[in-house]
Amino acid sequence: DAGVIQSPRHEVTEMGQEVTLRCKPISGHDYLFWYRQTMMRGLELLIYFNNNVPIDDSGMPEDRFSAKMPNASFSTLKIQPSEPRDSAVYFCASSGTGNYGYTFGSGTRLTVV
Amino acid sequence: AQSVTQPDIHITVSEGASLELRCNYSYGATPYLFWYVQSPGQGLQLLLKYFSGDTLVQGIKGFEAEFKRSQSSFNLRKPSVHWSDAAEYFCAITYSGAGSYQLTFGKGTKLSVIP
Repeated sequence: DAGVIQSPRHEVTEMGQEVTLRCKPISGHDYLFWYRQTMMRGLELLIYFNNNVPIDDSGMPEDRFSAKMPNASFSTLKIQPSEPRDSAVYFCASSGTGNYGYTFGSGTRLTVV
Repeated sequence: AQSVTQPDIHITVSEGASLELRCNYSYGATPYLFWYVQSPGQGLQLLLKYFSGDTLVQGIKGFEAEFKRSQSSFNLRKPSVHWSDAAEYFCAITYSGAGSYQLTFGKGTKLSVIP
């Protein structure tokens, strides 16, 4: 298995632009998580899905953030409009029912200038 | 609510020396505990996990961790550190039941290794 695949690896965008981050979980995993990592706040859970359904989005910072999972093999995290304070590394992780450990993707480093 | 504390932000050890990274948790029931490692520019990799049973857990890369309920701790150890172990280490917690697989992570401990 190729593991959890995230794209792009790096994204540099101007303030006010829309940013879309992508994630392909491990085949057969039914949980998908989006995390944000910053020096100040560490790893923060933004949202997670079970069987493509959002279960808890209480970590989404504000309405500028949205996430979707249209099918079991694909999820997106969108920021519109982006702001400099959104600069961070965004990780996607997946897990299977009964397996409490996650498998993380390599992350997307987002820089908003 | 469950929480994890990693008291040490940064630790420096000499290559070949032993290592212990501390992790304390707060949760009433029996937790599920994890250690992850993150190399620069990489995602997090699972080192080991504890669910139940033997309180000494062996992981990858020669690491082990011991669950001590009386001390609410799950410290990570390695007998002899290699330069390639330099990375950031995260302790994480979740619990059985309620169908929740959400992990709560500590702030991390950065490990530097002196040749």
